Parts: sequence; structure tokens; C-alpha cells
Amino acid sequence: DAMVIQNPRYQVTQFGKPVTLSCSQTLNHNVMYWYQQKSSQAPKLLFHYYDKDFNNEADTPDNFQSRRPNTSFCFLDIRSPGLGDAAMYLCATSRAGPVKNIQYFGAGTRLSVL
Amino acid sequence: DAKTTQPNSMESNEEEPVHLPCNHSTISGTDYIHWYRQLPSQGPEYVIHGLTSNVNNRMASLAIAEDRKSSTLILHRATLRDAAVYYCILRHLYSGGGADGLTFGKGTHLIIQP
Repeated sequence: DAMVIQNPRYQVTQFGKPVTLSCSQTLNHNVMYWYQQKSSQAPKLLFHYYDKDFNNEADTPDNFQSRRPNTSFCFLDIRSPGLGDAAMYLCATSRAGPVKNIQYFGAGTRLSVL
Repeated sequence: DAKTTQPNSMESNEEEPVHLPCNHSTISGTDYIHWYRQLPSQGPEYVIHGLTSNVNNRMASLAIAEDRKSSTLILHRATLRDAAVYYCILRHLYSGGGADGLTFGKGTHLIIQP
């Protein structure tokens, strides 16, 4: 039944050790998004893929990268995690188009940095 | 981008209607009003959206003021499961080809008392 699946739900990494979070979807949507949500804050868009086109938000740090090898999968790579990168990372998908553009979110991966 | 203003928190009793307000005085003619909610430890989920007319779906109703400077999300009979943060978000009709990410404000934390 799950439509946007994020693995793992909880991830612990060490300061400076690269980490990859994964997202898959069964909706065949052409847009995939990554959001960062820090404790007690609203989600903040990091970047999105529209088909194979990567769209980075202006204030997303270079430390954050993304890959989308095919329609179903998208990865978030954090090259050198700092303590400030501890957060919930949310993946979302949508079918691009005017009017609706409803986004479907995964349950998120909570990242801890030790 | 046009901004929205919501109360930080609201409290209601179970099985009573809840009216969640949102002010968007700088809304443009092609901005749609979307509502998402985020249950504890989950990703956001779409609730409803509208442009000018009031809208109903199985989750909620959306009442839009005639001048479109405000709107109200109505939960007709709140349950404990409706306790969440509710986000009112404006989305331009053609932004990013219909693929732009969501810009979340602080939202309203809805507390439901049994």
C-alpha cells in the first residue's frame, strides 16, 4: 500500500562520515522532492528532480547532493554531516502540472549525527 | 511569494467542529490555497485545496472568503486522530511548470481534547 517509501526510518552517522538516504515511489510520478525538517520547525525544501532535471534551492548547502537513477528512486547524499544536519528528511513526489500538483510524502528518515 | 498567517495553536474538543483560519492578504489571482497536515512522527499529507469557491472532500471543507484574503479549513467532527500541525500554503498556478516545492509556514498546532 505504501506509495512513498523511505529507508531507513532512523539513521545514525558520525560527524563527517558520508551518509545516503533513500526514497522510492510506486506512483510513477515525474517529480521527486527532498525536504529537511529540524526539530519543532516546518519542512524546508532542499531540491527536487523534475524528470531528470535537477533543481537546487538557492540556500541549500553544497554538502547536500541528490541522485535520481530512475523514475522510482531518489537518493539524498550528505557528504560531510555536521551536528546541524541532524533532522528529519522527508521525500515527496508529485505529478507535475497546474492546478493540483498534490505532493505525497514518505514517513521520513530521522538522521542523528554523533 | 505571497505569505500566509496562521495562529500558532488551537484547541478543540473531540467530536466538535474545528475552524482553522488562514490569512493571505497578498494572494494573487492565480494562487491556489492548499492545506496540508502533519501528524506526529509522520510526513505531511494533503488535505484540500481551492481557488475561489468553497470545497468539500472526505477529510475536510475549505471556505474561502469572497475577497480571497482569508480562508478557513473546517473539520466537521474532530477526532483524536486529527491532532496535527495544519499548514496553509499558497501555490501559484504555473510555478515551476507545476513542479515547485511547497513553502511551509509555521502552521497551526491543533490539539484535540478527549
